[in-house]
Amino acid sequence: GNSVTQMEGPVTLSEEAFLTINCTYTATGYPSLFWYVQYPGEGLQLLLKATKADDKGSNKGFEATYRKETTSFHLEKGSVQVSDSAVYFCALIPLIQGAQKLVFGQGTRLTINP
Amino acid sequence: NAGVTQTPKFRVLKTGQSMTLLCAQDMNHEYMYWYRQDPGMGLRLIHYSVGEGTTAKGEVPDGYNVSRLKKQNFLLGLESAAPSQTSVYFCASSQLGTGYKGRNEAFFGQGTRLTVV
Repeated sequence: GNSVTQMEGPVTLSEEAFLTINCTYTATGYPSLFWYVQYPGEGLQLLLKATKADDKGSNKGFEATYRKETTSFHLEKGSVQVSDSAVYFCALIPLIQGAQKLVFGQGTRLTINP
Repeated sequence: NAGVTQTPKFRVLKTGQSMTLLCAQDMNHEYMYWYRQDPGMGLRLIHYSVGEGTTAKGEVPDGYNVSRLKKQNFLLGLESAAPSQTSVYFCASSQLGTGYKGRNEAFFGQGTRLTVV
């Protein structure tokens, strides 16, 4: 089946620290991969995505590279800010015909301290 | 641009009561989804729809029913609420089809926090 595994949280960092949130997946074929962010009290927003192997998604200083060989899509940011405090979800859409449904990881809560 | 709108935002129900959550999208998307979010479990798909008049079961459909009478609306019903249905419910929509490139972003509503006592 299709599944996503994220590193367990919560993660607490100081401002300007380097961030990595690990994400690995299991899927048939080559799925599309996503990172969604949920700020306090809000719904999920798409942060970045990659649709094929070796693609790098980037947005707001965050990056993630689609690694087929390690089935991973780790989220990174070089210097985090307090405003990055949120819950981050890794997700995939399997590459199949017909209905395409997002499969989410369990989420990683990130807190950035000033 | 409203995007995906969920109503209500908060609700408290007594065990055994019924209610309907409404999701409306103004992006002319074909696909709509209902997820529930529980601590440590991410989002789990309850039901989804691939177009007007269609519905299908997701990962955790028991205790819920849905209807998609109009393309822009997707209703989630709880016929007899149970405390295990206490959760945050998210609706999402996307313009997905058999060709996936560039058309597979899902847009989410702000959520409905439901408490069943």
